[in-house]
Amino acid sequence: GAVVSQHPSWVICKSGTSVKIECRSLDFQATTMFWYRQFPKQSLMLMATSNEGSKATYEQGVEKDKFLINHASLTLSTLTVTSAHPEDSSFYICSAATNEKLFFGSGTQLSVL
Amino acid sequence: GENVEQHPSTLSVQEGDSAVIKCTYSDSASNYFPWYKQELGKRPQLIIDIRSNVGEKKDQRIAVTLNKTAKHFSLHITETQPEDSAVYFCAASIRTDKLIFGTGTRLQVFP
Repeated sequence: GAVVSQHPSWVICKSGTSVKIECRSLDFQATTMFWYRQFPKQSLMLMATSNEGSKATYEQGVEKDKFLINHASLTLSTLTVTSAHPEDSSFYICSAATNEKLFFGSGTQLSVL
Repeated sequence: GENVEQHPSTLSVQEGDSAVIKCTYSDSASNYFPWYKQELGKRPQLIIDIRSNVGEKKDQRIAVTLNKTAKHFSLHITETQPEDSAVYFCAASIRTDKLIFGTGTRLQVFP
């Protein structure tokens, strides 16, 4: 299958700082990528759709100023959690589709102290 | 928008037995139904998918059935093995990339 790379795998940060997560499609181009959030033992909740060269589309209830998304190239989308707080601690995972299949990055475990 | 319900939330079976997980969806326009397997701390892996123009699809020990009229679809795993233990998610969508996931089923296969 196609490869979606996500970095970092885990990050610990202090409350109030910002954290950037990168998502790359390694062997295909993706005009659209998706960001999900997953709490322990829960499902994947779609946060936003990242669109190359234009603004991201956020799902209801997701703060766009809190979760900044940039999709500057056909192979890279970034999610920045701004002014992180302990309640932002979660597993963040990106995805991209090719050949009519959706593939996921390896996820980022964010812990905010 | 689409809403996907998944049952059961946990399922324990003996090795060699079959496991069945069921999902229902709300949006009749949905036409793509994938199933993902997720091990602890890992990314979800696509294991099988079905489109609305097909009623059943099988891949070795895994099969998926779709009832469009009732808006439900099911995952069937036969001859379960301990390595099948994981969390399984169903999803539904009108497109293959923007998926709405079910709540997940934690499958445990005991030797």
